[in-house]
Amino acid sequence: DAGITQSPRYKITETGRQVTLMCHQTWSHSYMFWYRQDLGHGLRLIYYSAAADITDKGEVPDGYVVSRSKTENFPLTLESATRSQTSVYFCASSESGNTIYFGEGSWLTVV
Amino acid sequence: DAKTTQPTSMDCAEGRAANLPCNHSTISGNEYVYWYRQIHSQGPQYIIHGLKNNETNEMASLIITEDRKSSTLILPHATLRDTAVYYCIVRFWMDSSYKLIFGSGTRLLVRP
Repeated sequence: DAGITQSPRYKITETGRQVTLMCHQTWSHSYMFWYRQDLGHGLRLIYYSAAADITDKGEVPDGYVVSRSKTENFPLTLESATRSQTSVYFCASSESGNTIYFGEGSWLTVV
Repeated sequence: DAKTTQPTSMDCAEGRAANLPCNHSTISGNEYVYWYRQIHSQGPQYIIHGLKNNETNEMASLIITEDRKSSTLILPHATLRDTAVYYCIVRFWMDSSYKLIFGSGTRLLVRP
């Protein structure tokens, strides 16, 4: 039972580069979420998706793009990475009305 | 969206009960209270949730006041491995999705 997996787990990239963080869940959950967590702070919602081909902005969407062509995948793309996007990124999923489960995180450093 | 207020930090002795309070005075009638914890920078781990009745599972108990404006998470016999940041969150429905908005949480230190 793989659950929810994120890749890469660790990434260093340069300012201005495009970066894609992958998220895959094996439960066929309808809802998927992307959060970011800056050092010493709580999680902030970037984007979420209620189903395939349906996505919406969260609290801090600027600089990010998402897509959801398949139910099980929810990639997050930083179109032109900036140092302020250095963070830990968490993907999560849930079935309607049920508990939200989180992945183990992707550590991204932008230099 | 209902906000939550938690103490910044707490500590307790190993083997004793840890009682973590949370205020959510603006909670709506159909909004659930969820508790998660985060150990180091791992992904948040689900602990328990409730609507208005008290709940218990293998990890913890959740006590919700009758007016639902506050709740307490109880770890009955805290161990060193329970040292973590604990988040009290009100799950709400908006823009076609359930959402969890995290606050700063309570940093619990379990002392040997």
